[in-house]
Amino acid sequence: NAGVTQTPKFQVLKTGQSMTLQCAQDMNHNSMYWYRQDPGMGLRLIYYSASEGTTDKGEVPNGYNVSRLNKREFSLRLESAAPSQTSVYFCASSGAGGTTQYFGPGTRLTVL
Amino acid sequence: SQELEQSPQSLIVQEGKNLTINCTSSKTLYGLYWYKQKYGEGLIFLMMLQKGGEEKSHEKITAKLDEKKQQSSLHITASQPSHAGIYLCGAPRGADGLTFGKGTHLIIQP
Repeated sequence: NAGVTQTPKFQVLKTGQSMTLQCAQDMNHNSMYWYRQDPGMGLRLIYYSASEGTTDKGEVPNGYNVSRLNKREFSLRLESAAPSQTSVYFCASSGAGGTTQYFGPGTRLTVL
Repeated sequence: SQELEQSPQSLIVQEGKNLTINCTSSKTLYGLYWYKQKYGEGLIFLMMLQKGGEEKSHEKITAKLDEKKQQSSLHITASQPSHAGIYLCGAPRGADGLTFGKGTHLIIQP
């Protein structure tokens, strides 16, 4: 099993550019999550999806949109990237009922 | 909102020595997860504690949950270079993800 996969691994954007981070899981999990990790701030929840077809805001949703394409895939979109969005982005998934979350390897994004 | 404070923030330990990392919550803990992160990589699940007084072990790592103290501890016995990394504790936010501590950076000196 691949678990949780993320693409791309690295990305450099200019301010104002847009991009989509992709995430897929092969564990048949219902719930999927996007976090960002910043030095001194720890991991913070951006958006989550409790099931296919539903999405909800987390702690820091401003500047992001998400799409739960199907049960396997959950994408995060930056419509107009800002330097404050420079971060490492992690996708995670879990089974129903808030069970253990499993994380992908991360996408390291730099916005110039 | 719930906050998790980890101590120490960083730790340098000689190989073979024991060490303890603490995670203290600002609110009652209804479960606590421990993850390990190697630099530049994703989070690896270590253990989940659900009940007060619960203690779990995996290889040389033991975690305990003290609900009354709103605290969890992670203890490593006879540390090895493979234990180096960032240890993160996380608590459920209900059904919507986890709240994490800021992490403890562990360095093992040969």
